Amino acid sequence: SQQGEEDPQALSIQEGENATMNCSYKTSINNLQWYRQNSGRGLVHLILIRSNEREKHSGRLRVTLDTSKKSSSLLITASRAADTASYFCATEPFWDKVIFGPGTSLSVIP
Amino acid sequence: DTEVTQTPKHLVMGMTNKKSLKCEQHMGHRAMYWYKQKAKKPPELMFVYSYEKLSINESVPSRFSPECPNSSLLNLHLHALQPEDSALYLCASIGRSDTQYFGPGTRLTVL
Repeated sequence: SQQGEEDPQALSIQEGENATMNCSYKTSINNLQWYRQNSGRGLVHLILIRSNEREKHSGRLRVTLDTSKKSSSLLITASRAADTASYFCATEPFWDKVIFGPGTSLSVIP
Repeated sequence: DTEVTQTPKHLVMGMTNKKSLKCEQHMGHRAMYWYKQKAKKPPELMFVYSYEKLSINESVPSRFSPECPNSSLLNLHLHALQPEDSALYLCASIGRSDTQYFGPGTRLTVL
């Protein structure tokens, strides 16, 4: 089953530019998480934002959550070639059930 | 320590073989997960164990059999798999912070 939908599916930018990815979901949630995955490897947790929060920052990452629109965005500022990866949002529609959206493939060109 | 370990890293098996994937975490987490991931697709939830009890089974075929011997260990027993079961199998755990930590995965090939 799929809860989140990422947009765009693929994004290609120049190093130094900002990258914005969006995630929409269908049901109410307890929290929303963003992950990064480098090719064929395990997922790395980036940020968790709870349903009563609107914005969160971590280094060059900024996540927003709009529960009225059932959407979230991930902004990566001053992108680097090392940011090239797939990015997934994951939601928890009910206790301990964490499901992933289809992901955005980000390419940062040096 | 925020590590989830998985063994083996790679596994090749025939359709008549029986094998097991193992996952371990020592973070005292309340829930452990198995996900299946095909190339260029998101992880697909298979099973969730909460407090060592199977709480979610996403209608996975019976040739996949999970087991949670204790709060730190999670196994996935494989029997009579099909070539389409070839994928990356990811284990994860979640604790009080609600952050999910993933292992590096087992790359499974079924011949």
